[in-house]
Amino acid sequence: GQNIDQPTEMTATEGAIVQINCTYQTSGFNGLFWYQQHAGEAPTFLSYNVLDGLEEKGRFSSFLSRSKGYSYLLLKELQMKDSASYLCAAMDSNYQLIWGAGTKLIIKP
Amino acid sequence: GAVVSQHPSWVICKSGTSVKIECRSLDFQATTMFWYRQFPKQSLMLMATSNEGSKATYEQGVEKDKFLINHASLTLSTLTVTSAHPEDSSFYICSANTAEPYEQYFGPGTRLTVT
Repeated sequence: GQNIDQPTEMTATEGAIVQINCTYQTSGFNGLFWYQQHAGEAPTFLSYNVLDGLEEKGRFSSFLSRSKGYSYLLLKELQMKDSASYLCAAMDSNYQLIWGAGTKLIIKP
Repeated sequence: GAVVSQHPSWVICKSGTSVKIECRSLDFQATTMFWYRQFPKQSLMLMATSNEGSKATYEQGVEKDKFLINHASLTLSTLTVTSAHPEDSSFYICSANTAEPYEQYFGPGTRLTVT
């Protein structure tokens, strides 16, 4: 079956770095997405990886290893506004997104 | 970036009535739109895939006669919750693919409360 695993909750300190891991199993693979979702709002797109390696976008970076079925989202210089849920989603061979349950990130001062 | 709008942003209705939610891609044409439902503290659940000019494809367990989806044009898809019940109260979110199929953008969501 198709499955996405990511931690339920993580806590980090303002100004620090945090890495949110995601492992996936899908029927075919057409890329790995990360979304940020604040409480009561729709998700917003953060990153897309389809090739192995690290993609950097400002304070956020995303990494993919297709052979390991593994991705992570790296957040640097954490700010209080980064407190949110981070959703990992893998696109299968039918171009359908398979969603993880999300990781709730709590930032402490 | 691509913009997807939803209307209304929130709605309260009485049990037994129907509610229509619109999803529009504002600056691009979307041949495929998706409808999700999200209950509090849970992840997104795909309800159906909406293709312009054809019938929607519903996920297992989603009643197609209760959740009517119409994708009338390349920029508009509608979800109608018929004979709504309190258990239908949820956050409904649509998304649309840009021409490059790997980018999916979400609307702001519609919070439905059925009393």
